[in-house]
Amino acid sequence: QVQLVQSGAEVKKPGASVKVSCKASGYTFTSYYVHWVRQAPGEGLEWMGIINPINPIGGGTTYAQKFQDRFTMTRDPSTSTVYMELRSLRSEDTAVYYCARGARYLDFWGQGTLVTVSS
Amino acid sequence: QSALTQPASVSGSPGQSITISCTGTSSDVGGYNYVSWYQQHPGKVPKLIIYDVDNRPSGVSNRFSGSKSGNTASLTISGLQAEDEADYYCCSYASSTTSTRVFGGGTKLTVL
Repeated sequence: QVQLVQSGAEVKKPGASVKVSCKASGYTFTSYYVHWVRQAPGEGLEWMGIINPINPIGGGTTYAQKFQDRFTMTRDPSTSTVYMELRSLRSEDTAVYYCARGARYLDFWGQGTLVTVSS
Repeated sequence: QSALTQPASVSGSPGQSITISCTGTSSDVGGYNYVSWYQQHPGKVPKLIIYDVDNRPSGVSNRFSGSKSGNTASLTISGLQAEDEADYYCCSYASSTTSTRVFGGGTKLTVL
């Protein structure tokens, strides 16, 4: 069965960086895009970006404009894993971060990773 | 990219029908037939319930239906049940050149 398993909760100080992993199984990793979506406490879903699991030269990622300067997505096809890194963390980045499979729609989601930013 | 506009809350009694709207622009909802809807119960992971405007994934009740007119998409839930109480989010393609997506702000459905 399709599964996306994310890494565990993180606690970071303001200004630090966080890297979250999302390991896919149960399907052909290179056949589906992966999105990152976050949800702050008590708030709605916010789309962050999408990555093409095939690693074409020169790109394969699209970022929401809001995150373009401090957000990076990468992939490792050898382990069917996608990563997201968010830098220069601030308190407003405290949220649950989800990875989700799909192109036009997000059909399978990871369990979510809580990132807490606190001094 | 601005979030799509949804009502903050809607309510209905068991057995009734409700509709949740999702308003965007010609650059997102109105420009593509790629609107999807997600149901999220408290503390749970979002679940896809409608894709490509009006398609249901396998296993999703036929009480859920979607539609679109112009820049507004809609989710209708008929025969409301207590288990339908949840948050609902729409999502749309927002650019064919960059694959950008945008979510709505979410709607809290209360079953009275």
